[in-house]
Amino acid sequence: DSGVTQTPKHLITATGQRVTLRCSPRSGDLSVYWYQQSLDQGLQFLIHYYNGEERAKGNILERFSAQQFPDLHSELNLSSLELGDSALYFCASSVRSQAGGTEAFFGQGTRLTVV
Amino acid sequence: AQSVTQPDIHITVSEGASLELRCNYSYGATPYLFWYVQSPGQGLQLLLKYFSGDTLVQGIKGFEAEFKRSQSSFNLRKPSVHWSDAAEYFCAVADSGAGSYQLTFGKGTKLSVIP
Repeated sequence: DSGVTQTPKHLITATGQRVTLRCSPRSGDLSVYWYQQSLDQGLQFLIHYYNGEERAKGNILERFSAQQFPDLHSELNLSSLELGDSALYFCASSVRSQAGGTEAFFGQGTRLTVV
Repeated sequence: AQSVTQPDIHITVSEGASLELRCNYSYGATPYLFWYVQSPGQGLQLLLKYFSGDTLVQGIKGFEAEFKRSQSSFNLRKPSVHWSDAAEYFCAVADSGAGSYQLTFGKGTKLSVIP
């Protein structure tokens, strides 16, 4: 158990709909990263939040947005869903290692199926 | 931009045989390097990481990896594979010089183990 909690585990929704994925980081971790894993694109970084502020953006579509709340949990909002958005969405929280780098701990993921 | 190449999409080994999974990265400075493992339907578990120092790093489950700067490689090894090692393995790199440590992943290598 990584200590990172994602809900829901599975989500099935129709095209055009909007969904919200939730992530609770490990206790004390200020950073939350979101990743998308799909068959054609592999694992891709979407967005990074640190202590409530956006730090970096990756290949995140304009239809997608995220936020991090004062209690440090984060939500990824996906709107106007398309079939191609079907994927496994991971969040990770990170801690700075004593060796100087950072180590990311991943949740179990939310499997989104758009029908 | 940094990138990671895992040349082998699928590898099959016999139980008890040795294993080497290849990983090459493209990055201008000294990267932070990681190997993750993903079992079917599961999240990503960190096997080992390299930040600096000794180029041979030990990880969990008997895995090790060697950072070779001259070859831009970070290959994963295990002397004797167990059936439970069957999974997908991902090499990843993070930018050591940025304020955000998002991971760039390779496409993954699927490992099958023959009893």
